[in-house]
Amino acid sequence: ETGVTQTPRHLVMGMTNKKSLKCEQHLGHNAMYWYKQSAKKPLELMFVYSLEERVENNSVPSRFSPECPNSSHLFLHLHTLQPEDSALYLCASSQVWRGPWATSTDTQYFGPGTRLTVL
Amino acid sequence: EDQVTQSPEALRLQEGESSSLNCSYTVSGLRGLFWYRQDPGKGPEFLFTLYSAGEEKEKERLKATLTKKESFLHITAPKPEDSATYLCAVQAGRGSTLGRLYFGRGTQLTVWP
Repeated sequence: ETGVTQTPRHLVMGMTNKKSLKCEQHLGHNAMYWYKQSAKKPLELMFVYSLEERVENNSVPSRFSPECPNSSHLFLHLHTLQPEDSALYLCASSQVWRGPWATSTDTQYFGPGTRLTVL
Repeated sequence: EDQVTQSPEALRLQEGESSSLNCSYTVSGLRGLFWYRQDPGKGPEFLFTLYSAGEEKEKERLKATLTKKESFLHITAPKPEDSATYLCAVQAGRGSTLGRLYFGRGTQLTVWP
């Protein structure tokens, strides 16, 4: 496997189900991201894990729960979702450098996405 | 309020008809501007990163340029396989969440034979 992989590629779930999305990066990066892409809207950053620090978008509902056990794997746990949560969920990774005066990041590389449909 | 605006929203070109896509941004302390290509149902594919005004990068029929307020993606003699949505994203420096990219809504390009 190369680059960033995501499983499953497609997921259909009911509003009462619990499911998880998985992302794995093979690029040796130290930061991983979850994005949501809805029709006609810009990509929306949901969560960032970098150098063991988690940063989240405050507008993300608690029914989305991320987990990052190590720098290569990222999960998004889903429970009691709503139909408006149907979207393409994208994972990305990049390299982050923390210096004495600033932190900088390199290009983000994306996975193929998981198409989620909530019935 | 969108911090990244892409125009046009959609563009139809005949094969061989050159054109440009625009990305204007309002973030302060730009750290980088990124162009991606996205095919339907797939993740964005990285094309270019530009860091400072005046910088230019080329790849096959694509050329990206950057000024202090906007970026252009020039497509020379496009082919049908260039049909995709082209996304622009910027990374701000000051007061921005680590690694956060602000994306535009994209330009959907269709090239017909």
